[in-house]
Amino acid sequence: DQQVKQNSPSLSVQEGRISILNCDYTNSMFDYFLWYKKYPAEGPTFLISISSIKDKNEDGRFTVFLNKSAKHLSLHIVPSQPGDSAVYFCAASKNTGKLIFGQGTTLQVKP
Amino acid sequence: DGGITQSPKYLFRKEGQNVTLSCEQNLNHDAMYWYRQDPGQGLRLIYYSQIVNDFQKGDIAEGYSVSREKKESFPLTVTSAQKNPTAFYLCASSTVNYGYTFGSGTRLTVV
Repeated sequence: DQQVKQNSPSLSVQEGRISILNCDYTNSMFDYFLWYKKYPAEGPTFLISISSIKDKNEDGRFTVFLNKSAKHLSLHIVPSQPGDSAVYFCAASKNTGKLIFGQGTTLQVKP
Repeated sequence: DGGITQSPKYLFRKEGQNVTLSCEQNLNHDAMYWYRQDPGQGLRLIYYSQIVNDFQKGDIAEGYSVSREKKESFPLTVTSAQKNPTAFYLCASSTVNYGYTFGSGTRLTVV
């Protein structure tokens, strides 16, 4: 049972435009959500996180939105840059437990 | 500098052989994890350990074994019972405050 789902395997956007990556979850007990970015043959690196008590968290060009009623979170990247091209994983946890990852979305930003 | 080190970066295994992947961290993190990445499947949890001398199975533990004799080390053995071991393996560590730090991964190929 996939508790964290990223239904779009890939996304392609033009440089300078907005990238929106989506993630859905099924477990209402999740209380912390994170996004990781991964380049090929490297380990994922932490990007941004949000607690369930918030509905938005912003860090520079990256903003994460959380809609608890819909069990949905999204990552917005504005403006998108070619260096943002990577695989993005969303992850969720409850009570400081282990992270459950989604399948990942491959973002391609075209110059 | 603190970090998490995985070795080797590339590993080739003959069918029927056991191989051990190394993971060492000097971040003083209590918890350590092993994930497997396959195309389109995201990161799947193999084993995790929250304290020394204790570990739990993740979602896909069959064919794998681990040990946690020291806080800094969490080696993963891929046994001959693992039917499809070719994958990218990622080790991570974390504190109680959610943050995961990943190693750079080991690419295992069966030849």
